[in-house]
Amino acid sequence: DQQVKQNSPSLSVQEGRISILNCDYTNSMFDYFLWYKKYPAEGPTFLISISSIKDKNEDGRFTVFLNKSAKHLSLHIVPSQPGDSAVYFCAASANNNNDMRFGAGTRLTVKP
Amino acid sequence: EAGVAQSPRYKIIEKRQSVAFWCNPISGHATLYWYQQILGQGPKLLIQFQNNGVVDDSQLPKDRFSAERLKGVDSTLKIQPAKLEDSAVYLCASSLSTGTTGELFFGEGSRLTVL
Repeated sequence: DQQVKQNSPSLSVQEGRISILNCDYTNSMFDYFLWYKKYPAEGPTFLISISSIKDKNEDGRFTVFLNKSAKHLSLHIVPSQPGDSAVYFCAASANNNNDMRFGAGTRLTVKP
Repeated sequence: EAGVAQSPRYKIIEKRQSVAFWCNPISGHATLYWYQQILGQGPKLLIQFQNNGVVDDSQLPKDRFSAERLKGVDSTLKIQPAKLEDSAVYLCASSLSTGTTGELFFGEGSRLTVL
C-alpha cells in the first residue's frame, strides 16, 4: 500500500534556480512529515520536517509546504546547488515515528 | 558522535542460503529500526525495537526473517532461507525514543544480492 507517493522519479534543474519536489499522501492520520536526502552508497539523512499543525517550515535554502486539505507537501530548494544532487525521500508518520512510511524518492540533478 | 554502524556493507549469496546483518545504533538511542529498500522504491519498515522489546514487526516476513536486539543495544537481522526477491539494501536506523521528533538516523546500509 503506497500511502506516500512521489510521482516524479527524477527532476533536473539549473544551478541557482528553484527545485520543487512534490509528495502526496493518502492517510489522513499522518501528522508529521519529513524529507530525507540520500547520496549514493550512503544512508538517508534528515533534511527538514513539518508538523501537521503548520503549513510551512523554513530552514535556510530549504522550505517545506504542507497542504493538508490536498494531502500534499512540497520541498523547495532555493537557490539550487550542484551539491544538492541526490535522491530525496518524503516520509510521513502518525503517532510520531511508530510507523514511518516513505515515498519512492525523486532523484534531483542540479546542473552547473 | 559516532553514527549508526552496519555490517557487512555488501553481501552476495545464493538463494536458499542464510545471511545476517548487524547494526550498532547511536549511543543512547532507545529505538532501533530495520528497513528494506528495494531498488527504485522507498524504505519499508521491517521491524522496530524500543530498547529490547518489539514495537512493530507487522511487515516482517516471519517465515524467513528474524531480528533480535539483545540487551537493547546492538541488533541483528537474519534471513533464512533467502529468496531472489530479498535482494535489497537493508537499512538500520535509530532514534532517541518513540514519541520524539520523528527524526531517524540511518546507517549506510547493507546491500544484499541473492543469486
